[in-house]
Order: sequence, then C-alpha cells, then structure tokens
Amino acid sequence: QVQLQQRGAGLLKPSETLSLTCAVYGGSFSGYYWSWIRQPPGKGLEWIGEINHSGSTNFNPSLKSRVTVSVDTSKFQFSLKVTSVTAADTAVYYCARGRSGGFGLDVWGQGTTVTVSS
Amino acid sequence: SYELTQPPSVSVSPGQTASITCSGDKLGDKYACWYQRKPGQSPVLVIYQDSKRPSGIPDRFSGSNSGNTATLTISGTQAMDEADYYCQVWDISTVVFGGGTKLTVL
Repeated sequence: QVQLQQRGAGLLKPSETLSLTCAVYGGSFSGYYWSWIRQPPGKGLEWIGEINHSGSTNFNPSLKSRVTVSVDTSKFQFSLKVTSVTAADTAVYYCARGRSGGFGLDVWGQGTTVTVSS
Repeated sequence: SYELTQPPSVSVSPGQTASITCSGDKLGDKYACWYQRKPGQSPVLVIYQDSKRPSGIPDRFSGSNSGNTATLTISGTQAMDEADYYCQVWDISTVVFGGGTKLTVL
C-alpha cells in the first residue's frame, strides 16, 4: 500500500523560503503526477503544482512565480519550495499522488502545518 | 482561469439522501472527482471519473456529471459522513478545486 510521508519546517518568518519534502513508500514512482496542495485556515483546498517522474511540471498560475517543485527518483521523493513567504502562505500543506485521465488524487500525505509569522 | 462553484453548506437528516452540486462551464466535458475532508484529517478521494468509487468507499456514495453540473449523492447518510466535500477537475493541465461544501447531518 502506497504511503506518502511529509517532512519540513513548520514555522517561518516573512520573506523566508518554505521547503517541504514528500517521500513515497510502497509503490511505483513512474506513471503518476505528484502534487502539492494547501488549505489556509478557514478556506478551501488550493492546488499548488505537480511533477512527474521525468520532471515535467504544471503549476497554479497564481503561485507559479514563487514555486519550485522537484523530484529525486533515486530517493523516491519530491519537494516543494515557495519563496518570499507571507502570512497568506500560512496553511496546511499536503502532498498527493495523481494520475491523468480523471483518476483523482488517490493517496495523500499526512499534512504539514506551516505558519508564517514574525 | 476555470472556476468551480459549490454551495457553502448542505444539511441532511440521518438516513436521508444528500446531494452536493458543483457547477462549471461545460463541466460535463471534463472528468470530475470528489473528496471528503474531516477535521484534522487528510482529504479522501470518494469519487473519480465522475461516478466511480475507489476501493473501500461505501456504495452509498455516488456521482454524476452532465452539462454544467456534477453531483455527489450520499444515500442513507450517516453521522460519520458529516464533513467538507470538494469537487475537482483538470483544466489545461492544472488541477482546479471547488470552494467546498460543509455537509451537516442533523
């Protein structure tokens, strides 16, 4: 059974860089898109971006200028970086597995609470 | 950018049928998915490809998608179904979520 395990810093100051990693256990890395999603307090889910095993990426246009998503297939993990964070980036961040063709995001990480505060 | 609209809240009595809608331009031309999110938990996929259920999802969950509206239907709603529900589609290689609907089981 595939599991996603997230790790990364949960408390940041404004202007710092958010950095999270998601490790994939128990399944194939290829054939899927690996996404990052966030949920700010009191708001809905917001998709950030995705990457596949070969490094092809897609991003939410509203965040694209500050977001980097990378993959390390040798370690079965993928990562998210968001630069110049502000309080508006405070959210629970999730990684998830998806597949094209309407299959949905079927496996999710445990979530990481990221707080941006001076 | 593509937008999906959901009602903020839906209420249902235990044992009754709950319907949650998701509206978007020509939504029926895209595949819709639905997620359940309970407080403190990660979202769970409950419907994919408009109407299919992942393994382990009870058959009281069903979905449809036609025209401009996708619908998640929960038959015989139970107290454990109280949660936030989000619809989702792909649009030009981007993932789009609806704003979410809070389902209250009264």
